[in-house]
Amino acid sequence: GENVEQHPSTLSVQEGDSAVIKCTYSDSASNYFPWYKQELGKRPQLIIDIRSNVGEKKDQRIAVTLNKTAKHFSLHITETQPEDSAVYFCSYGGATNKLIFGTGTLLAVQP
Amino acid sequence: DGGITQSPKYLFRKEGQNVTLSCEQNLNHDAMYWYRQDPGQGLRLIYYSQIVNDFQKGDIAEGYSVSREKKESFPLTVTSAQKNPTAFYLCASSIGSAGGGQETQYFGPGTRLLVL
Repeated sequence: GENVEQHPSTLSVQEGDSAVIKCTYSDSASNYFPWYKQELGKRPQLIIDIRSNVGEKKDQRIAVTLNKTAKHFSLHITETQPEDSAVYFCSYGGATNKLIFGTGTLLAVQP
Repeated sequence: DGGITQSPKYLFRKEGQNVTLSCEQNLNHDAMYWYRQDPGQGLRLIYYSQIVNDFQKGDIAEGYSVSREKKESFPLTVTSAQKNPTAFYLCASSIGSAGGGQETQYFGPGTRLLVL
């Protein structure tokens, strides 16, 4: 069935370091991969997305890479700041009209 | 995302009671969704609607019901059949032209449901 595994579940980094979150999905027909950030008690918000016709996309300190052969996609945050602390969810568009979400990664950036 | 609202922010349910969560959007989106979020888990889809007067069950529809009588509104009822309703409920919407799995979903601020 449709499934996505997300690792790690928690990640602690020092301010200024990089953070990487990885996801593996099951549906080879998927071609849309959005990432959402959710601050404590708030709504999830889209931070970046990628479609399968590209292998990498970058927006300032955030980048996403996609390996369709291996069914892997990853979020990279460089020069982390305390305001990057949040839960990050990967997701992908499955065969039906819905997004499949990972279980989330709690990122803590230590000042 | 300011165009999608949910009410109330907190809701308390007594045993055997049905409660209804409101979701309204003014983004002119065709598609709307309801998710349940539990601690340590991702977003699980309850119901979704691609167009007015039509909706489909998601992965955890048992104990819930929805209606979609207007484009801008998608209320969720948590029935007494839902034995463990305590959770954070999120409503979302998307344009709907490409299908919900291919386009950005915009979330409301959520409703936290607690059982008395």
